[in-house]
Amino acid sequence: DGGITQSPKYLFRKEGQNVTLSCEQNLNHDAMYWYRQDPGQGLRLIYYSQIVNDFQKGDIAEGYSVSREKKESFPLTVTSAQKNPTAFYLCASSTIQQGGTDTQYFGPGTRLTVL
Amino acid sequence: AQKVTQAQTEISVVEKEDVTLDCVYETRDTTYYLFWYKQPPSGELVFLIRRNSFDEQNEISGRYSWNFQKSTSSFNFTITASQVVDSAVYFCALSEANTNAGKSTFGDGTTLTVKP
Repeated sequence: DGGITQSPKYLFRKEGQNVTLSCEQNLNHDAMYWYRQDPGQGLRLIYYSQIVNDFQKGDIAEGYSVSREKKESFPLTVTSAQKNPTAFYLCASSTIQQGGTDTQYFGPGTRLTVL
Repeated sequence: AQKVTQAQTEISVVEKEDVTLDCVYETRDTTYYLFWYKQPPSGELVFLIRRNSFDEQNEISGRYSWNFQKSTSSFNFTITASQVVDSAVYFCALSEANTNAGKSTFGDGTTLTVKP
């Protein structure tokens, strides 16, 4: 089945540690995205990538890093520089259309808790 | 700048009532996409509909319907005869072709609760 997988579903981290969230897609989509969602709030864009080996900062990139070495994979690292990392993280992918970013398909999310 | 406003933070209805979720957007582009997504308690966002800026036809899909009006920059979503399974957070999103190509902006979401 085609889709997006994120792992792990729940992640616990001690303060001061870096942690990497996995995102894989087999939809053959060019674009991939990472969003952060805090309780009762909307989605905020962290990073996005439209092509392998290239990515752009979103609205809240500070304290995060990404890589896009393969079309299928877009891992997100939450570094110790991120002051308040406890949140729900969603990965998405889409094709790219002339009219704008096409429909984004989302993974099941990773809930990160910093202890 | 692109912006999406969902003024209704929370809506509560009784089963079988009709409910409309409002979405107002701002953009300077003439070419753009609008979307609605549903986020059930499990957390994963589910795509509901996409509309491009050149297509103002309203759309109906079962109990769901969407009213796109460029004159008022609105893209409202109506659920007819609501059911408990419709309880979720609903997000409206905007994607521009030029100014912010590659990015989508999401509204803050409307939490819909349908009571039996």
